[in-house]
Amino acid sequence: EAGVAQSPRYKIIEKRQSVAFWCNPISGHATLYWYQQILGQGPKLLIQFQNNGVVDDSQLPKDRFSAERLKGVDSTLKIQPAKLEDSAVYLCASSRSRTDTQYFGPGTRLTVL
Amino acid sequence: DQQVKQNSPSLSVQEGRISILNCDYTNSMFDYFLWYKKYPAEGPTFLISISSIKDKNEDGRFTVFLNKSAKHLSLHIVPSQPGDSAVYFCAAIYNNNDMRFGAGTRLTVKP
Repeated sequence: EAGVAQSPRYKIIEKRQSVAFWCNPISGHATLYWYQQILGQGPKLLIQFQNNGVVDDSQLPKDRFSAERLKGVDSTLKIQPAKLEDSAVYLCASSRSRTDTQYFGPGTRLTVL
Repeated sequence: DQQVKQNSPSLSVQEGRISILNCDYTNSMFDYFLWYKKYPAEGPTFLISISSIKDKNEDGRFTVFLNKSAKHLSLHIVPSQPGDSAVYFCAAIYNNNDMRFGAGTRLTVKP
């Protein structure tokens, strides 16, 4: 069974630029999560989807971050405009349902200069 | 809001000995707890979990203990192997898979 795929693996941008990350969850997994992991901290949930609907986006900075999962499969997370403090690893995870174990992708390391 | 805390940023043990990683939490609403293991440049990998109705769960060399009254859980690895060297994250869940992570403990197992 293929794992969670994410791209790109690394991204370097200037502050105020825009960036987008892509995630393809494990086949058949209805729930998809985006996490932000700042260096030295644990992952922090940004948004949770159940199929193509948003379940929880309470910790998503909505003034600059957006995410979508239009067809209930893959998802994109966008930051526009980026700030220095957005430098982090962005992890995507998926699970069969909202109560099942979450499986993580390798992450995208974002550096904002 | 640091509801899950791992107070030891690092731990070093000798191969073959026991590794004990600790985690404390503050939210009594957490009802499920997990440990994830993370190697460099990879995402966290699920290791073991425990429901709040249990106090122990064992899987091979890995055992998780939960002390609800103390709001404390620990992961025991016996015997420790060099391949266990990684960052270990404690996580706690409530409210439909709303998962909160600790900051992680870097375990080094020396041959």
